[in-house]
Amino acid sequence: SYVLTQPPSVSVAPGQTARITCGGNNIGSKSVHWYQQKPGQAPMLVVYDNSARPSGIPERFSGSNSGNTATLTISRVEAGDEADYYCQVWDNTSDHPAFGGGTKLTAL
Amino acid sequence: QVQLQESGPGLVKPSQTLSLTCTVSGGSIRSGSHYWSWIRQPAGKGLEWIGRVYTSGNIKYNPSLKSRVTISVDTSKNQFSLRLNSVSAADTAVYYCARVAMYSYGYWFDFWGQGTLVTVSS
Repeated sequence: SYVLTQPPSVSVAPGQTARITCGGNNIGSKSVHWYQQKPGQAPMLVVYDNSARPSGIPERFSGSNSGNTATLTISRVEAGDEADYYCQVWDNTSDHPAFGGGTKLTAL
Repeated sequence: QVQLQESGPGLVKPSQTLSLTCTVSGGSIRSGSHYWSWIRQPAGKGLEWIGRVYTSGNIKYNPSLKSRVTISVDTSKNQFSLRLNSVSAADTAVYYCARVAMYSYGYWFDFWGQGTLVTVSS
């Protein structure tokens, strides 16, 4: 199965830019999606197809994907952005989704 | 706006069967552009995909759970269901149902239920 690797935690000062990475073998050839999960809540899609944003997601959230790394970038981080973030791809070989292990974002 | 709602017992005894239903509102489960999926999350841990169903009856399971899982769909009720048998404490988790958006370039979970905690304990 396809393996996605995320750092366990990322810390950034409010107002600064957070970058959360998602590593995978030739992930640049895949469509990567990102979810935000706040405590006690269900995950919520914040970026799909590498860089597209669902309706209602602020422009501060952006994504990129190249080579072996996909990145979720959150500009002007706010306290309300503190959450766990998960990357996901659909492995066409197995016809299964694969999730990264999640990254906890802390606004210091 | 599509909404999904999980329902079912919050407590299941070891070795018994966990049964959950997901009711879809605001859209038809017959949509040809979507899979319908179950995902779980043990406390403090990451997301684990359980399986997915298409309205044609095409079903796929996580190989690690395949021997114990059954997912079915009831289009007349706009619902899909999960059964997990021979449960143990390791199956204690928040269980989510979710819709999968299917496009030629990728599949993703665009709508999620709020989740329901299922505890396996005697």
